[in-house]
Amino acid sequence: GIQVEQSPPDLILQEGANSTLRCNFSDSVNNLQWFHQNPWGQLINLFYIPSGTKQNGRLSATTVATERYSLLYISSSQTTDSGVYFCAGPDYKLSFGAGTTVTVRA
Amino acid sequence: DAGVTQSPTHLIKTRGQQVTLRCSPKSGHDTVSWYQQALGQGPQFIFQYYEEEERQRGNFPDRFSGHQFPNYSSELNVNALLLGDSALYLCASSLVGGGLGNYGYTFGSGTRLTVV
Repeated sequence: GIQVEQSPPDLILQEGANSTLRCNFSDSVNNLQWFHQNPWGQLINLFYIPSGTKQNGRLSATTVATERYSLLYISSSQTTDSGVYFCAGPDYKLSFGAGTTVTVRA
Repeated sequence: DAGVTQSPTHLIKTRGQQVTLRCSPKSGHDTVSWYQQALGQGPQFIFQYYEEEERQRGNFPDRFSGHQFPNYSSELNVNALLLGDSALYLCASSLVGGGLGNYGYTFGSGTRLTVV
């Protein structure tokens, strides 16, 4: 099956800082998605981004499908951004990476 | 509009026992997928149900089985529990064919199963 690598594994930010999370895939992914898992375990879909760039408030994502990677940008981070961020693909049978644990300190 | 509802939220079972977890999909969704998430890892796909049939299965033994009912709700059954089955079990619902490959997954908050 497809392999998903995420980096960095852990990220500690001061409130207001910007950061970039990366996701690499071993094969082409037609339906790349980013999720945020809150401390209560629920996965929230942030972006469906098979290619190109999308923005949603302080979050944005870019996928370069030909090079099999995607980036998630967090700008002006807030404590509520803390949690684990996952990327997943390639289709309805989602393969998840191990995640990036983000801790935002006030 | 209710999202995905899972029950119970927490469960403690003994090795060798059997367990049933339940999932009600988001209103309007017809497909249910189950995932297992061990501590510190990403979720792993168990199987997906559509039209009351198992559509696709991940790399899980036959001890893991499921069912989908006519109202689209679903159950996950695990027999002969092992210590390694301790995990967060997540249910995700979606609508088949919903929007250009964006399956629009909605996840529940999960059932945390502890096997002792």
